[in-house]
Amino acid sequence: NAGVTQTPKFQVLKTGQSMTLQCAQDMNHEYMSWYRQDPGMGLRLIHYSVGAGITDQGEVPNGYNVSRSTTEDFPLRLLSAAPSQTSVYFCASSYSSQDYLYEQYFGPGTRLTVT
Amino acid sequence: AQKVTQAQTEISVVEKEDVTLDCVYETRDTTYYLFWYKQPPSGELVFLIRRNSFDEQNEISGRYSWNFQKSTSSFNFTITASQVVDSAVYFCALSRDRGSNYKLTFGKGTLLTVNP
Repeated sequence: NAGVTQTPKFQVLKTGQSMTLQCAQDMNHEYMSWYRQDPGMGLRLIHYSVGAGITDQGEVPNGYNVSRSTTEDFPLRLLSAAPSQTSVYFCASSYSSQDYLYEQYFGPGTRLTVT
Repeated sequence: AQKVTQAQTEISVVEKEDVTLDCVYETRDTTYYLFWYKQPPSGELVFLIRRNSFDEQNEISGRYSWNFQKSTSSFNFTITASQVVDSAVYFCALSRDRGSNYKLTFGKGTLLTVNP
C-alpha cells in the first residue's frame, strides 16, 4: 500500500490564482480530512469527509472547497489564493468504526507559498 | 469547545536525560480520546499512542511512557534516556469520540531538541 499520498510536494502561487491539492489513499478508509499547519499554531482542521459524497467544514474552512466523489480521493481547492493561505497542508485518513477508534494516517504534506 | 494546551513551546536536553512533555486538555464530553503524534525534521506525522477516557492506566513502550490523569485533565509524555533521534515536534491531540475520529483538535506542539 502507498498509504496517503499528496501532490504536489511544493507549490508557489500568486495572489488570486486557484489550484487543487491532491490527496489519495489506497487503504479503503472512509474518513478523510485536510489540516493546515502554521508555525506556532499546531494543525487546524479545514474540511473533512465521512464517506464518498459527504463533506463538512472544520475549524478554518474559508477560502477552501472540497468534494469527495470516490472513497480514494479527497482534493482540496483553493479558489483565489491569498498570502494568508501560505502553509503546510496535510491530508489524513482513517477507518471508521463505532466499536474502535482508529488513528489517522497522514500524508507527507504539501508546502504552499502564496506571494 | 475542545482545547489542548501544550505549554512548553521548546525544550532542550542533553542526550540520556529524561524529559516530560506536558499536555492539558479541556472537553465537556465524558467519552473522548487522546493522542500523541511525532513530527521529525523530515515533516511527516507519526502516530505514537491513543488513549480513551475510560482507561487511566499508564502505558510504557520502550523508552516512551504516558501518564493519563483525568483528575487534572492531563496526558503527559515522558521519554527516558533521550536520544538525538527523539528530536522532533510532538503534538498532543483530542478527539470527541469514536464517531468523530476525523476531527482532531491539536495542541500547538512542543519542539524537543536532544543535543549530543
